[in-house]
Amino acid sequence: GENVEQHPSTLSVQEGDSAVIKCTYSDSASNYFPWYKQELGKRPQLIIDIRSNVGEKKDQRIAVTLNKTAKHFSLHITETQPEDSAVYFCAGAAGNKLTFGGGTRVLVKP
Amino acid sequence: SAVISQKPSRDICQRGTSLTIQCQVDSQVTMMFWYRQQPGQSLTLIATANQGSEATYESGFVIDKFPISRPNLTFSTLTVSNMSPEDSSIYLCSVNSGGLRGPTGELFFGEGSRLTVL
Repeated sequence: GENVEQHPSTLSVQEGDSAVIKCTYSDSASNYFPWYKQELGKRPQLIIDIRSNVGEKKDQRIAVTLNKTAKHFSLHITETQPEDSAVYFCAGAAGNKLTFGGGTRVLVKP
Repeated sequence: SAVISQKPSRDICQRGTSLTIQCQVDSQVTMMFWYRQQPGQSLTLIATANQGSEATYESGFVIDKFPISRPNLTFSTLTVSNMSPEDSSIYLCSVNSGGLRGPTGELFFGEGSRLTVL
């Protein structure tokens, strides 16, 4: 089955700086890669996703890149703000099932 | 989008007892998924609940421990049986955005049921 590795496990950045989270996956059949944000005590919510037919996608301060050959994808958050502080999960899907990475706890220091 | 209601939102349970978690969706969906999130950990898929057929369990999860019902296209239950402290987790119900058309990608999550087993 799919295995998704996520790094780093924790990330501390100064407000205004950029944050980058990286994930690798094992199943070459995976074709959908979402990123979820989970604030403390809340449910995970989708912030951006990318499918295997594109290499990059951007939504305001958030961007995701995908390298199918190397089987890795990354989340980039620019101009970080305190409200970006949360746990971020990457995931990979082949078919109906999502496999999540281990999560990255991001702390944005004001 | 889908609105998912889960209950109970939290409970404190005694070792050896069982608890059933309910999940109600505001629209018909083909698949419902049950995830477990242990304290400070990621989300692990327990099983996929299919309407009209038995649930499909992931490696490490068995029906005797986590029986699942799916009586219709908007409702599912997960039972955590014979609980031990190791079962203390958040249990999350989720559905795919495709509804009856089938999965299209995005998963929507319920608010979760936080179980503490003493």
